[in-house]
Amino acid sequence: DQQVKQNSPSLSVQEGRISILNCDYTNSMFDYFLWYKKYPAEGPTFLISISSIKDKNEDGRFTVFLNKSAKHLSLHIVPSQPGDSAVYFCAASARAAQGAQKLVFGQGTRLTINP
Amino acid sequence: GAVVSQHPSWVICKSGTSVKIECRSLDFQATTMFWYRQFPKQSLMLMATSNEGSKATYEQGVEKDKFLINHASLTLSTLTVTSAHPEDSSFYICSGDGVYGYTFGSGTRLTVV
Repeated sequence: DQQVKQNSPSLSVQEGRISILNCDYTNSMFDYFLWYKKYPAEGPTFLISISSIKDKNEDGRFTVFLNKSAKHLSLHIVPSQPGDSAVYFCAASARAAQGAQKLVFGQGTRLTINP
Repeated sequence: GAVVSQHPSWVICKSGTSVKIECRSLDFQATTMFWYRQFPKQSLMLMATSNEGSKATYEQGVEKDKFLINHASLTLSTLTVTSAHPEDSSFYICSGDGVYGYTFGSGTRLTVV
């Protein structure tokens, strides 16, 4: 049962344009969402997160939008740069529960920024 | 910021041998350490959750006798793959939960031949 889904395995965007990565989830207990960037043979690097009490969080070129009713979140990168080429994972957790909560990851989307 | 140092970054071992992977939180105390596994072109799948000084909690389908986890201190957690087989070849990543949130190690590429 895939609780977090990234339905696009790959995305190609022109440099300077907007990259939009999508993520859907099924577990209504999730209340904290994160986006990670990952290069091959390296650990994930945290990009941005959002709590379920918000619908938008912005940090520089990265903005995450959360639509709770649709159980959908998206990551917008603008403007896209060649260095943004990587695999992007969305992850979710249920922080309301006690103790440290595990992250459930989507399958990842490989983003390629073309010069 | 927080750093989790993971070693080795890659290892090749013979089938039937054991391999130990270490994760150290360098500038924070990780009360909880998560261990993930990633197969090629797949997501990171949680294997187990370990809390300092107590037994690890394993996810369904993960053999606790095969993947031994020790979290003896707030800065060190180890994963030992016992009697490794080729199907255990994967990318293993740890993540410490501290005041800075989830911090991931750099991963270990295990190849069993």
